[in-house]
Amino acid sequence: AQTVTQSQPEMSVQEAETVTLSCTYDTSESNYYLFWYKQPPSRQMILVIRQEAYKQQNATENRFSVNFQKAAKSFSLKISDSQLGDTAMYFCAFTRFYYGGSQGNLIFGKGTKLSVKP
Amino acid sequence: NAGVTQTPKFQVLKTGQSMTLQCAQDMNHEYMSWYRQDPGMGLRLIHYSVGAGITDQGEVPNGYNVSRSTTEDFPLRLLSAAPSQTSVYFCASSYSGVSSYNEQFFGPGTRLTVL
Repeated sequence: AQTVTQSQPEMSVQEAETVTLSCTYDTSESNYYLFWYKQPPSRQMILVIRQEAYKQQNATENRFSVNFQKAAKSFSLKISDSQLGDTAMYFCAFTRFYYGGSQGNLIFGKGTKLSVKP
Repeated sequence: NAGVTQTPKFQVLKTGQSMTLQCAQDMNHEYMSWYRQDPGMGLRLIHYSVGAGITDQGEVPNGYNVSRSTTEDFPLRLLSAAPSQTSVYFCASSYSGVSSYNEQFFGPGTRLTVL
């Protein structure tokens, strides 16, 4: 069975600084996807960034980037130039890659609560 | 498009009562799922459906029933509510049918309290 571990229950960062959130996972699959979701106080789940396991290049979305280490089964999220609006719970998630059209179910970590301080 | 909608947003039940959480999507997505979110636990999959008439269990299915009679709707039924079912419930949907990942879209959630 796949598992996702986020070892930092809470973190804080000063506005405009950089912060890195950690995520490790366990799987015997070779093809899969990894995600970071943001959940602000509004409770809405927002996809921040995703990484396909077969791609060696780390994904980047504006101020958000990942460090994907497949051999180490590590998938950290770096937020640059932190903004007050980045304050949220961040969840790391995993899904298998399915051939032939079956959608994969997401397996989530327990989350990291990030506070951005002015 | 309204996306994924959930009703109600908040609900309080007494132990033993039954109720249905509604979920609808207007994006013609084949795949729909229900998750529950508990403090310190992340989101856990309850049930999912890959199309009308097809459902399957997730990680924590006990105490919940689902059915999928249409593509648009995927209701979650609590048969006899228990305090352990106090949680925030999320519905999600996405396309399927291709060998690539299709983003899952989440509803706004339903906060359920069972007294």
